[in-house]
Amino acid sequence: AQSVTQLGSHVSVSEGALVLLRCNYSSSVPPYLFWYVQYPNQGLQLLLKYTSAATLVKGINGFEAEFKKSETSFHLTKPSAHMSDAAEYFCAVRRGYSSASKIIFGSGTRLSIRP
Amino acid sequence: DARVTQTPRHKVTEMGQEVTMRCQPILGHNTVFWYRQTMMQGLELLAYFRNRAPLDDSGMPKDRFSAEMPDATLATLKIQPSEPRDSAVYFCASGPVTGLTADTQYFGPGTRLTVL
Repeated sequence: AQSVTQLGSHVSVSEGALVLLRCNYSSSVPPYLFWYVQYPNQGLQLLLKYTSAATLVKGINGFEAEFKKSETSFHLTKPSAHMSDAAEYFCAVRRGYSSASKIIFGSGTRLSIRP
Repeated sequence: DARVTQTPRHKVTEMGQEVTMRCQPILGHNTVFWYRQTMMQGLELLAYFRNRAPLDDSGMPKDRFSAEMPDATLATLKIQPSEPRDSAVYFCASGPVTGLTADTQYFGPGTRLTVL
């Protein structure tokens, strides 16, 4: 069975500091991995995705994530946090490439940015 | 800019009433997903469709929930009768099956349901 675990339900960083949101996955087959962001009172928006083409994936808004098979991790990073990054972030895994396959979401990490 | 639309955005109802939520997927997308988000359970997949046929509705309470796609431009999620524990935000998402973005689901803004 596939699953993702997000370490830390709440992360707080200062504006300008490094953002690191952790995600570990469990999958018996090569996974497709995603990070979604949810701003208050909005739906989820795709930040980036890993589909086996490159281990370092760059997404929108300056975020990137690195797929590490040996660590079964797909952590999300951003070098310098901005106030507008405050949101909830979800890591997700899917077995197949097509959107017709189920996505399993993590429990989410709420990111707060301190001025 | 194509988007998934959901109506209503907010719904307050009394226990025992029927609730119908609607979703219009992005034109040309042939997979549709229904999710429920609560503080306690997080984001749960309720059901999903491909080419209007249900592929999996195992996440949905069968006795009171039903999901349908009457046509390619409309998906509905119905709760009858509603209960306070159904209070949540319900998201619809759609996606293409083929093409460069076949791996992406596009989410609607959600319907916030409150059952009193």
